[in-house]
Amino acid sequence: AAGVIQSPRHLIKEKRETATLKCYPIPRHDTVYWYQQGPGQDPQFLISFYEKMQSDKGSIPDRFSAQQFSDYHSELNMSSLELGDSALYFCASSPPQFANTGELFFGEGSRLTVL
Amino acid sequence: DQQVKQNSPSLSVQEGRISILNCDYTNSMFDYFLWYKKYPAEGPTFLISISSIKDKNEDGRFTVFLNKSAKHLSLHIVPSQPGDSAVYFCAAAMQGAQKLVFGQGTRLTINP
Repeated sequence: AAGVIQSPRHLIKEKRETATLKCYPIPRHDTVYWYQQGPGQDPQFLISFYEKMQSDKGSIPDRFSAQQFSDYHSELNMSSLELGDSALYFCASSPPQFANTGELFFGEGSRLTVL
Repeated sequence: DQQVKQNSPSLSVQEGRISILNCDYTNSMFDYFLWYKKYPAEGPTFLISISSIKDKNEDGRFTVFLNKSAKHLSLHIVPSQPGDSAVYFCAAAMQGAQKLVFGQGTRLTINP
């Protein structure tokens, strides 16, 4: 079965540079979520999109922006990167019946290292 | 403000015995509680969930118990197997909210 696809899997950037992470949800899933997991920490919710509109927002820095496109894939753009942005970034998607189950399907994550 | 808490960062259990992972929450508005399992270099995968209207849900070797008055849930794995060694995240969701709130995770190690 198709899963959530994230790219790139690994990314190394310098401070103050910009990075873009991509996420392709499972077909027919209409909601995409972004989570950030720092070393030894729990996944922190950043932002979610439902039908290409932002549906919820968490602890996403102003330097970050995201959007969901017409094909439902999503991109997380991070600018003016800081050392503290080094983390594993997970994308997840959920089917229309999320409201009944709360289940998210996660990708394998994109590891960003800021030097 | 940590709304979902897993106070045990690690747990070690003998193969064949029962593993009990605990989770506490502070927000009484949560409608669903879920457990995710995470192996290194992989994303979290859904394990089992429970609705706030139930107090128990069982799926094979996995059972989740919910005590709403204590705002506490637990995951029981019996019998524990070496392949169960992973980080387990407790998560909660509110009806209508498009997100999960995660706990800090508990690293479970099953010893042969």
